[in-house]
Amino acid sequence: GAGVSQSPSNKVTEKGKDVELRCDPISGHTALYWYRQSLGQGLEFLIYFQGNSAPDKSGLPSDRFSAERTGGSVSTLTIQRTQQEDSAVYLCASSHPLYEQYFGPGTRLTVT
Amino acid sequence: GQQVMQIPQYQHVQEGEDFTTYCNSSTTLSNIQWYKQRPGGHPVFLIQLVKSGEVKKQKRLTFQFGEAKKNSSLHITATQTTDVGTYFCAGPGGGADGLTFGKGTHLIIQP
Repeated sequence: GAGVSQSPSNKVTEKGKDVELRCDPISGHTALYWYRQSLGQGLEFLIYFQGNSAPDKSGLPSDRFSAERTGGSVSTLTIQRTQQEDSAVYLCASSHPLYEQYFGPGTRLTVT
Repeated sequence: GQQVMQIPQYQHVQEGEDFTTYCNSSTTLSNIQWYKQRPGGHPVFLIQLVKSGEVKKQKRLTFQFGEAKKNSSLHITATQTTDVGTYFCAGPGGGADGLTFGKGTHLIIQP
């Protein structure tokens, strides 16, 4: 079946602009996660959605970052007033709770 | 918060040599997962270990979970060029049901 998809695959934006990154999880997966990966580095947890529960936002690095998940499916990660240090690959993953996570291909964000 | 430490950060091996990466936690882990990320790709789940002292094998890959459930290892026998990539361990902790990832071990294979 279809895996996790993300769009756009690449995004170049100017410092100070807002960006929206989209994630389509695997159908039926109630858990959805956003991670950030800087070049050659590990995965930094950002936010977690589970069903209709309030999201766990404990990993968001600043109030410029927000995310929502509509209808328990598609999720959008928004970064306001982007900064150069926001440049990274943003990865989305979905799963059944407590099971292995399936990652999307990521969105490579470059802030110039 | 919980941290998962992974060593080494980089490992260069000749093709055909063995490779091992180690994962350590300061706290007991209920389970540990291993992922592989090919260059330019995204992490792909390899395996989950749950039981103390558990050993699982996938062809040339052997995964171990320590008796105290605070450490784990991944051993690859006779590496091949297809093994190139970054291997991450991950324990519970990134979010309520999420994962805390180690920084990964980059495996570089010289033919």
